[in-house]
Amino acid sequence: AQRVTQPEKLLSVFKGAPVELKCNYSYSGSPELFWYVQYSRQRLQLLLRHISRESIKGFTADLNKGETSFHLKKPFAQEEDSAMYYCALSGENAGNMLTFGGGTRLMVKP
Amino acid sequence: DGGITQSPKYLFRKEGQNVTLSCEQNLNHDAMYWYRQDPGQGLRLIYYSQIVNDFQKGDIAEGYSVSREKKESFPLTVTSAQKNPTAFYLCASSIPRAEAFFGQGTRLTVV
Repeated sequence: AQRVTQPEKLLSVFKGAPVELKCNYSYSGSPELFWYVQYSRQRLQLLLRHISRESIKGFTADLNKGETSFHLKKPFAQEEDSAMYYCALSGENAGNMLTFGGGTRLMVKP
Repeated sequence: DGGITQSPKYLFRKEGQNVTLSCEQNLNHDAMYWYRQDPGQGLRLIYYSQIVNDFQKGDIAEGYSVSREKKESFPLTVTSAQKNPTAFYLCASSIPRAEAFFGQGTRLTVV
């Protein structure tokens, strides 16, 4: 069975500090991994996916197959980054079902 | 205007009643999903459909039912068997293994 774990429910940092939101997964095979973000009063939306290897809003995430992790990082947090962040996994072994982690609320203080 | 639409935005249900939440998409996506979002528990998958006339149970399917008679539509029925239905429900659609697009959600409250 596929599983996504986000160990931190809440992460609070000051503006300008580095941010790392942790994501670990369990899956036998080659998964597709995603980070989704939900800003206050907005729809859940894709932030980035591992296959694109791009930086969105200063965020990056690297897939580490050895550690089965896909941590989200940003070197300098901004107040507008405050939101709920979800790590998600999709894999052929489970019919491409999209499974989410429990989410991490990021609060960036001024 | 392309996208995924959920209705209603707010729904109140009496004890013992079945209610149906609507989800429609015009993105021509094969895959559609229903999730339940509770504070501190993230998004839990209720049902998933890869294609018309086919669907699979997710982690918390008990007390819920779905149908997928048309590609565009994936309604969710919350039955009286669901013991704790008060929650925020999210519908999504995607091409398999690609970005999922989400609706605005339906907040269901049992009164």
